[in-house]
Amino acid sequence: AQSVTQLDSQVPVFEEAPVELRCNYSSSVSVYLFWYVQYPNQGLQLLLKYLSGSTLVESINGFEAEFNKSQTSFHLRKPSVHISDTAEYFCATLNTGGFKTIFGAGTRLFVKA
Amino acid sequence: DTAVSQTPKYLVTQMGNDKSIKCEQNLGHDTMYWYKQDSKKFLKIMFSYNNKELIINETVPNRFSPKSPDKAHLNLHINSLELGDSAVYFCASSQGSKGGPSKNIQYFGAGTRLSVL
Repeated sequence: AQSVTQLDSQVPVFEEAPVELRCNYSSSVSVYLFWYVQYPNQGLQLLLKYLSGSTLVESINGFEAEFNKSQTSFHLRKPSVHISDTAEYFCATLNTGGFKTIFGAGTRLFVKA
Repeated sequence: DTAVSQTPKYLVTQMGNDKSIKCEQNLGHDTMYWYKQDSKKFLKIMFSYNNKELIINETVPNRFSPKSPDKAHLNLHINSLELGDSAVYFCASSQGSKGGPSKNIQYFGAGTRLSVL
């Protein structure tokens, strides 16, 4: 069965430092992977997705993630974070039938001044 | 114009009461969902409807009953509220439950924070 594991529950980082949020997936079939972001007191919103094609995907606000099949990973990175990036980040995939989104436990990114 | 809207935003009530949360989406999507997010931010799917038909019904107490009067609305009714029901409940929608992974991208409401005293 498909699943995702987020290896860090919290990641504190200073402003303008680089960050990596780790996600590993488990799947025996086609892999579809997503990162969602949840800002304080809001619902989740899609940050970026890998469905097929280029293994490096980017968001409009400077985040990128790379699908790595050999390491079964989809880590999220940003070279320089801002205070406004403070949020909860969820890695997600789809179940075998493709009709249910399976979310990881979330990683809280806390950017300090 | 909010895409997925839920009401109320906050709900404070006593144990044993019955309450409802409403959700509406104006995206023209076919599929809607209810999720429960606990205090540790863990997100658990509860129900999903596709064109008013129940397609996901996870292990949830039968005190929780979803109702979808049309594909733009999915309400959640909770009977005999318990302390453990305190959480943030999110409604979400997607284009469809089938037809490819891009149709499963979820659009979330802002959440309803339920506190049971």
